Amino acid sequence: DVKVTQSSRYLVKRTGEKVFLECVQDMDHENMFWYRQDPGLGLRLIYFSYDVKMKEKGDIPEGYSVSREKKERFSLILESASTNQTSMYLCASSIPGPQYEQYFGPGTRLTVT
Amino acid sequence: RKEVEQDPGPFNVPEGATVAFNCTYSNSASQSFFWYRQDCRKEPKLLMSVYSSGNEDGRFTAQLNRASQYISLLIRDSKLSDSATYLCVVNPRAGNMLTFGGGTRLMVKP
Repeated sequence: DVKVTQSSRYLVKRTGEKVFLECVQDMDHENMFWYRQDPGLGLRLIYFSYDVKMKEKGDIPEGYSVSREKKERFSLILESASTNQTSMYLCASSIPGPQYEQYFGPGTRLTVT
Repeated sequence: RKEVEQDPGPFNVPEGATVAFNCTYSNSASQSFFWYRQDCRKEPKLLMSVYSSGNEDGRFTAQLNRASQYISLLIRDSKLSDSATYLCVVNPRAGNMLTFGGGTRLMVKP
């Protein structure tokens, strides 16, 4: 059974803190993605990685960075958290090719106060 | 204009009803199309891919109209368990990235 796990289901951080969100997949997928989901805006792609140490910016990369040191692990970093980064963060993975299913993790609800 | 647009709903239908959702996309070069389903407080999961010739999976039928740039999802004989948000998903440009619509919420009532 395919599995994508995220380090926390709920996280509360203060403005200005550095925040790490971790995602691990056990399917040996090359592609990994970070999205945020907000009411009325749907899922928006933050960053995409197609291989270890390789990344591409998505639609809303400002204020975020990513790290992929191992194939199974993709981290999202908020260098200095702000209240407008309060959101649901979803990680996904897939094999290469847009025609293939993306498998999502359960999400991390981040609140920045 | 958003790349992928959906009516957010909610669509409130009785059990057994037939319901249809449409989704429009702005990039005529889009190549891949999907419907994902997202239950309340859960992650999205693939419901079905949408092929040019249309495709059916049990009670679910998906259609693609490239000329008018929309895709549709038809659900027949609605069940209570069909209550969810349905996300229209498009690959708008070359590469692996997908664009998600805002979702259409369906509530099936007894």
